[in-house]
Amino acid sequence: DSGVTQTPKHLITATGQRVTLRCSPRSGDLSVYWYQQSLDQGLQFLIQYYNGEERAKGNILERFSAQQFPDLHSELNLSSLELGDSALYFCASSVASGGYEQYFGPGTRLTVT
Amino acid sequence: GDSVTQMEGPVTLSEEAFLTINCTYTATGYPSLFWYVQYPGEGLQLLLKATKADDKGSNKGFEATYRKETTSFHLEKGSVQVSDSAVYFCALTLNTGGFKTIFGAGTRLFVKA
Repeated sequence: DSGVTQTPKHLITATGQRVTLRCSPRSGDLSVYWYQQSLDQGLQFLIQYYNGEERAKGNILERFSAQQFPDLHSELNLSSLELGDSALYFCASSVASGGYEQYFGPGTRLTVT
Repeated sequence: GDSVTQMEGPVTLSEEAFLTINCTYTATGYPSLFWYVQYPGEGLQLLLKATKADDKGSNKGFEATYRKETTSFHLEKGSVQVSDSAVYFCALTLNTGGFKTIFGAGTRLFVKA
């Protein structure tokens, strides 16, 4: 158990809909990262927050957004969903920003039908 | 652009065989390098890391050395076990204003008894 929790574990929704994925980092970790894992694209870095502020952006679509709240939990919002958004979404946390070890949550499996 | 290239899998070995998984990277700066492992149905776990040239990361019998001159971070283990069957990801973290992380495509390892 990494100490990172993600909810929900599974999510099935229809095209065009909007969903919110939630992540609680390990106690004491200030940085949260979001990743998308799909069979064709592999593991893609989406975005990083550090202590409530956006720190780095990867291959995140404009239809996706994220935020980190004062209690350090984070939410990833996915809107106007397409079939191709079906994937595993991982959250990870680290103690700070930088070359630190990231602790991964168990993931949320999103299926768009 | 920045990237990580891993040898394609799957790699199938017999128990007690020697393992090498090749990883090379391209980076505009001076990255930290990581190997993560993903067991079926789980999130990624850090296996080992190295933050500067010639550093050797090691854990659970696995080793990798940060080779700046060849931009490589190959993973090795002298004697694999069935329990090592998993997907292995090479990754780098770069300071680009924020810290972005780039993962390789992953290499699936099967170890037969």
